[in-house]
Amino acid sequence: QKEVEQDPGPLSVPEGAIVSLNCTYSNSAFQYFMWYRQYSRKGPELLMYTYSSGNKEDGRFTAQVDKSSKYISLFIRDSQPSDSATYLCALTSGTYKYIFGTGTRLKVLA
Amino acid sequence: EPEVTQTPSHQVTQMGQEVILRCVPISNHLYFYWYRQILGQKVEFLVSFYNNEISEKSEIFDDQFSVERPDGSNFTLKIRSTKLEDSAMYFCASSATWGPLQGGANVLTFGAGSRLTVL
Repeated sequence: QKEVEQDPGPLSVPEGAIVSLNCTYSNSAFQYFMWYRQYSRKGPELLMYTYSSGNKEDGRFTAQVDKSSKYISLFIRDSQPSDSATYLCALTSGTYKYIFGTGTRLKVLA
Repeated sequence: EPEVTQTPSHQVTQMGQEVILRCVPISNHLYFYWYRQILGQKVEFLVSFYNNEISEKSEIFDDQFSVERPDGSNFTLKIRSTKLEDSAMYFCASSATWGPLQGGANVLTFGAGSRLTVL
C-alpha cells in the first residue's frame, strides 16, 4: 500500500463549481497535512496546512482532516479559471521530510 | 514577497557528466532542502541541510549526490556522474526554522525548479 494516494485526475469543472480534492494515507504517524498548488513550470506553493483532525477554512478554501479514516480533503468554493493547477497533498510526522501525493490536475472552465 | 531562486531553469547534459544546480534561498532562512519530481511522478524528498551539514537524506540521495553552501547566499546540489534516471525537475526549498508547523511560519517555500535532462 502506498504511503499517500491521490487521484491524478484530470478533473474538469465549470466556473463557480465546488471542487473536492482528496488524499488517503496509510501511516498513522503523519500529524501535519498540507495542500500545495503547482502551476505549470512552477514550484509548489503552500495553500493550507492543518494539524490533527478537523476543518480549517481560508477564504474559498477549506481543508479537512479525518485521522481515523486517514483521509484528507481540500474543498474549493466558487472555483475560478485561475484555480486551474495541480493540487498536491503533502504529509509529515513533524519533520520537513514531506511525503507528497502524485497531485490532482484541476481545470476550471470559464 | 521573498522567493527562492533557482538556476538554471533547464539544463541538458550527457550521461556521465557532472551537473551543479544552484539555489538562492530566502535570506533569513536557515534550513535548506532539495526535492525532485520525475515527469509524471510525485515530488520526492532528497535531502535537508542545516548549519553546514546534512540533517536528513533519503535513499535516493546516494554517493553521486552532494550538497554545499559555498557562501552565505547559495545552496547547491551536485550530481557527480549523471544517469538517465536523474532526469527530473529539481526543487530547492528553504524554511525559517525546524520543527512542528506553527502559525504557518515554519513551512517550506519552494523555488520554481531546475529541469535536468540527461541524454
